[in-house]
Amino acid sequence: EAQVTQNPRYLITVTGKKLTVTCSQNMNHEYMSWYRQDPGLGLRQIYYSMNVEVTDKGDVPEGYKVSRKEKRNFPLILESPSPNQTSLYFCASRARLAGVNEQFFGPGTRLTVL
Amino acid sequence: KQEVTQIPAALSVPEGENLVLNCSFTDSAIYNLQWFRQDPGKGLTSLLLIQSSQREQTSGRLNASLDKSSGRSTLYIAASQPGDSATYLCAVNVGGGSNYKLTFGKGTLLTVNP
Repeated sequence: EAQVTQNPRYLITVTGKKLTVTCSQNMNHEYMSWYRQDPGLGLRQIYYSMNVEVTDKGDVPEGYKVSRKEKRNFPLILESPSPNQTSLYFCASRARLAGVNEQFFGPGTRLTVL
Repeated sequence: KQEVTQIPAALSVPEGENLVLNCSFTDSAIYNLQWFRQDPGKGLTSLLLIQSSQREQTSGRLNASLDKSSGRSTLYIAASQPGDSATYLCAVNVGGGSNYKLTFGKGTLLTVNP
C-alpha cells in the first residue's frame, strides 16, 4: 500500500530535550516536505526536499532541522524544543514527474512541549 | 504572496442536502489545486486534484471546479451524509519550480446532521 508513515504519532516532551520525528514514504517520491498545523493559522510549510541531499527552508523553519540521506526518509529534528513548537506535524511527499502532481500526507504527529 | 480563503468557516446541514464549499486564492498563477478532508485529530485525505488546465474533477458524490482566472474553486457535495462531517481544506500549489509547496486555506468545518 502506497503510504507516508510518521513516528511517533504522539509525543510529550520537555523544553530543551532533543527529539526526532521520522517520516518515510514507499512511493519512490523525490519531493518531501514538513508542515505544522496550528489553530487559526492553518498548515504552514517548515522545510522541503527536492531529492537526496537537497533541502531548503519553507515558511517557518526556525527551530527545526531536517536531513535527506535516503530517498524514502525525511526526519524532522528539533534540537532544543520550546513550548511554541507544540503543534500537529505532517509529512508529505509527491513525485517530481510531469502529470503526477498529487501530494500525499502522513497521519500526523501531535507534539506537546512542556 | 499567495493567500487562500475558504468560506464559510463552518457549515451545518441536514442529511441529504446538496452543498457547496468555496475557496478563493489571490494569485491565479497556480500549478494545481487540491481538496482535502481532515477528520478531528487525524491526517489529510486527498479528495480531488485539479490541474491548472482543467475546469473540474469528479469523484463519486464530489465535484470540484476551478476558475483560475477569477481565483476560485468550489467543492460540491451531493446528497450529504453524516459520514461527510469533517473539515475540508483547499490548497493551491504554486510550484512547478523547486518547491511544490501547498498554500492552504483555514478550512470549512462541515457538520451533517442525521
